[in-house]
Amino acid sequence: QVRLQQWGAGLLKPSETLSLTCAVYGEFFSNNRWTWIRQAPGKGLEWIGDINHTGSTDYSPSLRSRVSMSVDTSKKQFSLRLRSVTAADTAMYFCARGLVVARVVGHNRYYDFYGMDVWGQGTTVTVSS
Amino acid sequence: EIVLTQSPDTLSLSPGERATLSCRASHSVSSNYLAWYQQKPGQAPRLLIQGSSTRATGIPDRFSGSGSGTDFTLTISSLAPEDFAVYYCHQYGTSPRTFGQGTKVEIK
Repeated sequence: QVRLQQWGAGLLKPSETLSLTCAVYGEFFSNNRWTWIRQAPGKGLEWIGDINHTGSTDYSPSLRSRVSMSVDTSKKQFSLRLRSVTAADTAMYFCARGLVVARVVGHNRYYDFYGMDVWGQGTTVTVSS
Repeated sequence: EIVLTQSPDTLSLSPGERATLSCRASHSVSSNYLAWYQQKPGQAPRLLIQGSSTRATGIPDRFSGSGSGTDFTLTISSLAPEDFAVYYCHQYGTSPRTFGQGTKVEIK
């Protein structure tokens, strides 16, 4: 049974850096895309980006200039940093597993994607002076 | 960027009724990598459907997904009291991954 547990500072001042970490329990840290999503109060879901176990990242264009993600495979943790926050970054932040399964056909390896099937509990981040 | 537009914004129904939620994409969704999530207040989203039509583990069979290309549908065959929530579609075939704005299913 895979579980994600996340933590990080919940109250920031404008211009500070948001820093969150998500720990993975119960599985091998494999091909999956480890993902961050946020949800502003009363609003919908926004994809921030993801990272795999090799450190390969993919970021939302709207946040790319301020976001960075990292992974620590020895601790089975992945992290989000968002620089220069403003009130517009106030949101609930979720980590999630983007399930990816590799299969081999002949001499070729293919990757099948299965959506975000396990989520962290969420961290409320408020940006206020 | 693929824009996902869900309709309607709100669906008012009674328990036992059938719910039909739509998700339309601005461009074709690669490999039909379209998922549906359910979210209740104060909770993380829960994966219902992935790959347009495959139920996630433990999801009741009253939930079904269909569609391909740019038009997708989530159907709840008979609403249970615990199904009243917000539903999001999500495409994960093309970067950046995107979500629809959500459909709220409320009790009539």
